Amino acid sequence: DGGITQSPKYLFRKEGQNVTLSCEQNLNHDAMYWYRQDPGQGLRLIYYSQIVNDFQKGDIAEGYSVSREKKESFPLTVTSAQKNPTAFYLCASSISAKYQETQYFGPGTRLLVL
Amino acid sequence: GQNIDQPTEMTATEGAIVQINCTYQTSGFNGLFWYQQHAGEAPTFLSYNVLDGLEEKGRFSSFLSRSKGYSYLLLKELQMKDSASYLCAVRSGNTPLVFGKGTRLSVIA
Repeated sequence: DGGITQSPKYLFRKEGQNVTLSCEQNLNHDAMYWYRQDPGQGLRLIYYSQIVNDFQKGDIAEGYSVSREKKESFPLTVTSAQKNPTAFYLCASSISAKYQETQYFGPGTRLLVL
Repeated sequence: GQNIDQPTEMTATEGAIVQINCTYQTSGFNGLFWYQQHAGEAPTFLSYNVLDGLEEKGRFSSFLSRSKGYSYLLLKELQMKDSASYLCAVRSGNTPLVFGKGTRLSVIA
């Protein structure tokens, strides 16, 4: 089956710890995105990548880092610099970054701070 | 920047019709999307409008007026499973989608 997978479903982070959220897609999509969702809030863009080995900051990139070494994978690292990381993290992909293209979402990872 | 507004919450009765409005301000408008999101799950794509007018897809329809910066999602013959958040999202140029805060719809018997 084609789709977007995110793991783990739940992730716990200790103070001062970096954690990495996985996002994989087998849809052959060029563009991938990371969003953060807080209760009662819309989705806010963290980072996006239009092509392998290239990525751009979104509206709330501080405290996060990404890599795009393979077309299928776009992992997100939440660093210790992100002071309020508790949120629902959603990865998405689209065929390309062109305006007609629909973004499709993975199931999400819920990050909690211990 | 972009500004997208939608009502926070709505309640409607099973079998009825509900209209969820979305207004936006943006430059370089290149399309408006509606997504449905059940609690704790990922958003799923419902509709896409880039030209003025109504797009109908089964029980769901979406309307766009670019001159007014206005869209609505119309849900007919409401079912309990339609209880969810509905997200309006706008694209400008080739940038990623910008989302509104979503409208939480409760369908009651």
